[in-house]
Amino acid sequence: QSALTQPASVSGSPGQSITISCTGTSSDVGAYKYVSWYQQHPGKAPKLIIYDVSNRPSGVSNRFSGSKSGNTASLTISGLQAEDEADYHCSSFTSRGTNVFGTGTKVTVL
Amino acid sequence: QVQLVQSGSELKKPGASVKVSCKASGYTFSTYDVNWVRQAPGQGLEWMGWIDTKTGNPTYAQGFSGRFVFSLDSSLSTAYLQISRLEAEDTAFYYCTRDLTAHGTARGYWGQGTLVTVSS
Repeated sequence: QSALTQPASVSGSPGQSITISCTGTSSDVGAYKYVSWYQQHPGKAPKLIIYDVSNRPSGVSNRFSGSKSGNTASLTISGLQAEDEADYHCSSFTSRGTNVFGTGTKVTVL
Repeated sequence: QVQLVQSGSELKKPGASVKVSCKASGYTFSTYDVNWVRQAPGQGLEWMGWIDTKTGNPTYAQGFSGRFVFSLDSSLSTAYLQISRLEAEDTAFYYCTRDLTAHGTARGYWGQGTLVTVSS
């Protein structure tokens, strides 16, 4: 199972919006609504910020939103803040009953 | 509150074995499966597989069968990851996770991670 494809890095200025893509296939991202997104600060464990494509767990800022079109899922961070600087990973359920993560994206706040 | 507390860092020689523990608290252990995730230094996340906490039946992702074994001690609400015949490429952080909802696909809760270093 190949990793889902994410851009290596995305940057933006405070207050701006950025979008991170996560491209898979018709056997994973395109087949199910089970896409999750995780935020990981340096030296910390990942934290779930979006699940089932567009749902936010309790306590996660509404500046984070998720969507999906075809085989590509997207995470949008609006009103970018310094604390959003982190690595972001997507994940999807697959037709084999397994899970696959993305390659990861480093977000830099300029 | 839900907590997953993992055992501490390990330094092992090639060919040795290691057993990482993950103690769960704050919920009924058998209600939620435990997934394991690997992250090599500076790299992305890899899903290793999961263990059914009701039956103890493990499922391994491609590339994680053979030397990797998931197990449980339900009386201690603890899951284990054992890696045998360690190789330098096994150097990584290993995370146990619990799904946000039972039988879900979102890793809602994470242990703090255990760093396993394999070096001669």
